[in-house]
Amino acid sequence: EAGVAQSPRYKIIEKRQSVAFWCNPISGHATLYWYQQILGQGPKLLIQFQNNGVVDDSQLPKDRFSAERLKGVDSTLKIQPAKLEDSAVYLCASSYQGGPLHFGNGTRLTVT
Amino acid sequence: SQQGEEDPQALSIQEGENATMNCSYKTSINNLQWYRQNSGRGLVHLILIRSNEREKHSGRLRVTLDTSKKSSSLLITASRAADTASYFCATDEIDNDMRFGAGTRLTVKP
Repeated sequence: EAGVAQSPRYKIIEKRQSVAFWCNPISGHATLYWYQQILGQGPKLLIQFQNNGVVDDSQLPKDRFSAERLKGVDSTLKIQPAKLEDSAVYLCASSYQGGPLHFGNGTRLTVT
Repeated sequence: SQQGEEDPQALSIQEGENATMNCSYKTSINNLQWYRQNSGRGLVHLILIRSNEREKHSGRLRVTLDTSKKSSSLLITASRAADTASYFCATDEIDNDMRFGAGTRLTVKP
């Protein structure tokens, strides 16, 4: 089966600019997650979708971050405006019926 | 906030030796999972152990779970240079989401 696809692979922006990341989960996986992984740390959950509904977004900085999953398939995560501390790898994962998470290779964001 | 805490933070061993990593957590869980992450890549699922299980094996991997102590261990036997990676435990919390620890960085020297 095809894995979780993410793009872009790398992104460099200046602070206060906006950026968007895209994720296409494994076909048939109803649950989609966005994680933020700062260098040297474990992944931190930003938002979890079940189909196109939000299950948990308690750790999403909603003043600058937004995410959507139209039609319950692919998803976009946006940051506007970006801050220096947003520099991290943004990982998308999907799962099927509570099973293990399948991760994409992530988008490495550098904010200068 | 992160749930699992891995120990040690870093581990360096020779090829052929066994590697043991530990994970402690705070709340009740449905299951606990271990993942591996190679540099610059996403996480790869290794093994899942449910809260009613005490031990599980998969190839050279052995995972134990002690719910009374809220801890788990991952043993990699006969390590290889290709096992060099970061290893994370993740807890599937009851009434909550999946939380990852900060990971153990394993280096296996050839």
